[in-house]
Amino acid sequence: DTAVSQTPKYLVTQMGNDKSIKCEQNLGHDTMYWYKQDSKKFLKIMFSYNNKELIINETVPNRFSPKSPDKAHLNLHINSLELGDSAVYFCASSQVAGGEGYTFGSGTRLTVV
Amino acid sequence: GESVGLHLPTLSVQEGDNSIINCAYSNSASDYFIWYKQESGKGPQFIIDIRSNMDKRQGQRVTVLLNKTVKHLSLQIAATQPGDSAVYFCAEKEDYKYIFGTGTRLKVLA
Repeated sequence: DTAVSQTPKYLVTQMGNDKSIKCEQNLGHDTMYWYKQDSKKFLKIMFSYNNKELIINETVPNRFSPKSPDKAHLNLHINSLELGDSAVYFCASSQVAGGEGYTFGSGTRLTVV
Repeated sequence: GESVGLHLPTLSVQEGDNSIINCAYSNSASDYFIWYKQESGKGPQFIIDIRSNMDKRQGQRVTVLLNKTVKHLSLQIAATQPGDSAVYFCAEKEDYKYIFGTGTRLKVLA
């Protein structure tokens, strides 16, 4: 049973489109995160939700809108996709906010053409 | 501060030798650090952690060293195996999030 699962695993789309990535965790954790990993493998935090409440928003363009319907789910919607949005997006969760160690999903590779 | 994305450094090690991966962190107030391993096509996985009140912690085949004076972490892997091939990241805790280092690719040579 996958602890943190993301869908889809791969996403290829054209510039200007709107797309969503979904994340679910079955660990009973309170906090979930979205990280972006670029082509140089650099991992940068984008958002974090604790019990459905946004607690971290790291200077991300407002084309990116996270939504957490409940503490087990954190989705990421991206409007008007740009070439620079191409990256691998990782969802993660932790027991509490900033808890000791994240559990990461396996990533969603987004390619904007 | 945050790490800047640079060219991913690579460490090539002969199978059976010891590996040492280094990391510089940015925030002298950080009190907790983690090393992660990321295999191809997968998300990062927790390897070992260390608190700032320690300077060394050992796990199974792995040891983390912390030098707060120069804000430096290292991960030592004993008797490196092919399955150790991956990208390794250090991460420092800052408030409710972790700041990841640039990463080092470890290649294990047969």
